[in-house]
Amino acid sequence: GESVGLHLPTLSVQEGDNSIINCAYSNSASDYFIWYKQESGKGPQFIIDIRSNMDKRQGQRVTVLLNKTVKHLSLQIAATQPGDSAVYFCAENDDYKLSFGAGTTVTVRA
Amino acid sequence: DAGITQSPRHKVTETGTPVTLRCHQTENHRYMYWYRQDPGHGLRLIHYSYGVKDTDKGEVSDGYSVSRSKTEDFLLTLESATSSQTSVYFCAISDYRGPSSGANVLTFGAGSRLTVL
Repeated sequence: GESVGLHLPTLSVQEGDNSIINCAYSNSASDYFIWYKQESGKGPQFIIDIRSNMDKRQGQRVTVLLNKTVKHLSLQIAATQPGDSAVYFCAENDDYKLSFGAGTTVTVRA
Repeated sequence: DAGITQSPRHKVTETGTPVTLRCHQTENHRYMYWYRQDPGHGLRLIHYSYGVKDTDKGEVSDGYSVSRSKTEDFLLTLESATSSQTSVYFCAISDYRGPSSGANVLTFGAGSRLTVL
């Protein structure tokens, strides 16, 4: 079965607002957690990862938060743009294997 | 997509026929993976390879076989396609070197859409 899941299957966001995408996981032994973005008709693309011994990591317009106490992961996108419309997946990285959640579809409203 | 090519990109076939999907990489990466993507299920691992002639099963391997005779090619075969194997198939590659070297970041191909009638 799936060990990684997302709280909401869809998210609608006003352009310019911040987006928060949530993910719950079950395997505490994972080394890393990874976020992917998948645009329509394309393969998933790497956004950012966070090691299990960290609680926050920032990238360009994105921030990952990891709460190991409640096994929760989130991806925050600042100043959401139309190009951010996509499906977002969190993935649990246990050595050479990745387990993916079902994904959250983000739609950006103009 | 970063030196990874899947073929064919689209295929329609009939139940009971054999189907082979090809993944070709030019990155010389050690690991190669086949995932399937279905609505509501995300990406599920079918098989993976950790070197030439070294393969192992994933979580949904029934009805699928793989082969890797060269570093650059990873083939996924459906011996006798069924309608439940209608899906989008993604190949991925990685140069993973262990958790002390960072996350296992997969690079995905563009996908192969298979329809089994």
